[in-house]
Formats: sequence, structure tokens, C-alpha cells
Amino acid sequence: NAGVTQTPKFQVLKTGQSMTLQCAQDMNHNSMYWYRQDPGMGLRLIYYSASEGTTDKGEVPNGYNVSRLNKREFSLRLESAAPSQTSVYFCASSEPRLAGGYNEQFFGPGTRLTVL
Amino acid sequence: GENVEQHPSTLSVQEGDSAVIKCTYSDSASNYFPWYKQELGKRPQLIIDIRSNVGEKKDQRIAVTLNKTAKHFSLHITETQPEDSAVYFCAASGRNRLAFGKGNQVVVIP
Repeated sequence: NAGVTQTPKFQVLKTGQSMTLQCAQDMNHNSMYWYRQDPGMGLRLIYYSASEGTTDKGEVPNGYNVSRLNKREFSLRLESAAPSQTSVYFCASSEPRLAGGYNEQFFGPGTRLTVL
Repeated sequence: GENVEQHPSTLSVQEGDSAVIKCTYSDSASNYFPWYKQELGKRPQLIIDIRSNVGEKKDQRIAVTLNKTAKHFSLHITETQPEDSAVYFCAASGRNRLAFGKGNQVVVIP
């Protein structure tokens, strides 16, 4: 099993350009997440999808959109990139507990994005 | 929403000594508390977690303790080794998400 995969690994954009970060998981998990990681800031949730067909805003959603394409894939789109979106982006997936609540989140390898 | 704080931000220990990292959380309804380890340039990986119905959990050299009354939980690493050098993140389950702390850099000095 590959676990959680992300493409691309690295990307450089100019201000105003758009791009889509791709994420896929092969663990049959229902929930998927997008985080950004900035120095000294920990992991901040951008958007999440509790199950196929649903998406919700997280802590820092402004400037981003997401699509849960199917159970395996969850993409993150930057419509008009800004220097403040320079960050490392991690996708994660997990399977919620049957009785509700959380289980381990599995992270992808990350995408290092620079916006000039 | 849930707010998680970690202290200290950087911890240096001699190889073989113990390291303790403490986190506090704000939402008394939180019931899941994982710890993630992130090596330089790598993805975060779960090393141990605890649920609110348990006060302590151990896995070899790693242990986590939870004090629900004081709303804090701690990671204990015994007999530290150079491969324990990493950033450690705690998290707590909020209403719709896991809230992560800002991370602790642990440096094990050989």
C-alpha cells in the first residue's frame, strides 16, 4: 500500500497564478484533510472532507478551494496564489471511529510551495 | 474552538536522559490526544495517542499521561537516543478537527 500520496513534491508559482495540489489515499478512509505548515505555527487545517461528497472549512480556508473527487482523492486549489500562501502543504486521511470520534491521521509526504 | 499550547518550544537533553513535553488544551469536551513526530523534511507520524477514559499509556520508551482536571497531557521519552531528535506535535480533538500545538524541537546530544 502506498498510503497517502501527494503531487507535486515542489512547486514555484508567481503571484496570481493558479494551481491544484493532488492527494490520493489507498486505505479506504472516509475522512481526508488539507493542512498547511509554516515555521513555528504547527499544522493548521485548511479544509476537510468528513466523507465522500462533503467538504467543510477548517481554520484557515481563505484563498483555497477543495474538491473531494471520490473516496480516494481530495484536491486543493489555489485560484490566485499570493506570497502568504508560501508553505508546506500536507494531505492526511483517517477513518472515524464507529461510535464517533477520532483515529490516527496518516499524512502524505507534503508539497513545498513557493509563491514569488 | 479548541486551543492547544506546547511548552517548552525547544528541549535539549543528553543521550540517555529523559525528555518531557507538556501540552495544555482548552476544551473540556476533547477526548482524543495524539502525539506526532516529524523528522526534518519528513511527514508527521503518530507515535502514541491517548483517549480521555485512560490516564496513562506506554509504548516501550514512550509514555503519555493525561490530566483531565487540569486539562494537560504530557509526552515522556525515556533513555533518549539520537534518533529521537525531531519536532514533536501534540493535538487535541476539537469539535470538527484536531487542533495541533506549534511543536517542540527535541535535540538529543550524543
